[in-house]
Amino acid sequence: DAKTTQPNSMESNEEEPVHLPCNHSTISGTDYIHWYRQLPSQGPEYVIHGLTSNVNNRMASLAIAEDRKSSTLILHRATLRDAAVYYCILANTGNQFYFGTGTSLTVIP
Amino acid sequence: NAGVMQNPRHLVRRRGQEARLRCSPMKGHSHVYWYRQLPEEGLKFMVYLQKENIIDESGMPKERFSAEFPKEGPSILRIQQVVRGDSAAYFCASSTDRDTEAFFGQGTRLTVV
Repeated sequence: DAKTTQPNSMESNEEEPVHLPCNHSTISGTDYIHWYRQLPSQGPEYVIHGLTSNVNNRMASLAIAEDRKSSTLILHRATLRDAAVYYCILANTGNQFYFGTGTSLTVIP
Repeated sequence: NAGVMQNPRHLVRRRGQEARLRCSPMKGHSHVYWYRQLPEEGLKFMVYLQKENIIDESGMPKERFSAEFPKEGPSILRIQQVVRGDSAAYFCASSTDRDTEAFFGQGTRLTVV
């Protein structure tokens, strides 16, 4: 599976929107873009995934660039419970993921 | 509907002993994945199983590690003759199908002393 590039860390103020970027310049046409997050001492939690079109769910929105070489996870109002490591993952099929090191999000009260 | 259950949550083994990690997938899930997370690192895929079959074991070390998912009962990740480098958090995930959302357990933290 293709690799992704994310900033090591980001900060956000509580109740403000957060935009978490991910670059995936070597993405193939059949790769899905998945986002998971991991809170301290817990297993990863599914956030959202998409292929070409932007996606919304109760947790977040996923904005996918037209050329699919990058994407952005949008948390509309950050809360303290959103502090976690966020992983952007490409997968052709199945849930055999390469997690990388992700972005550590700090939410400032 | 209980989530993915892993036990034990913490396991301490002496070098040379065997470690058996259990994973009960969510009800109705027949696809199981095992991952390992070394301290300060991201998760690394180990093996993907579907009832009684190993589908992808490309991330499994060639020696000492084995996994099974029998027709009845939990999936088991077995590590024989553990070494200090096996100390890590081992996570199990399950899904209803190979392309549906994966749900992760809380993990088993293995410490080899």
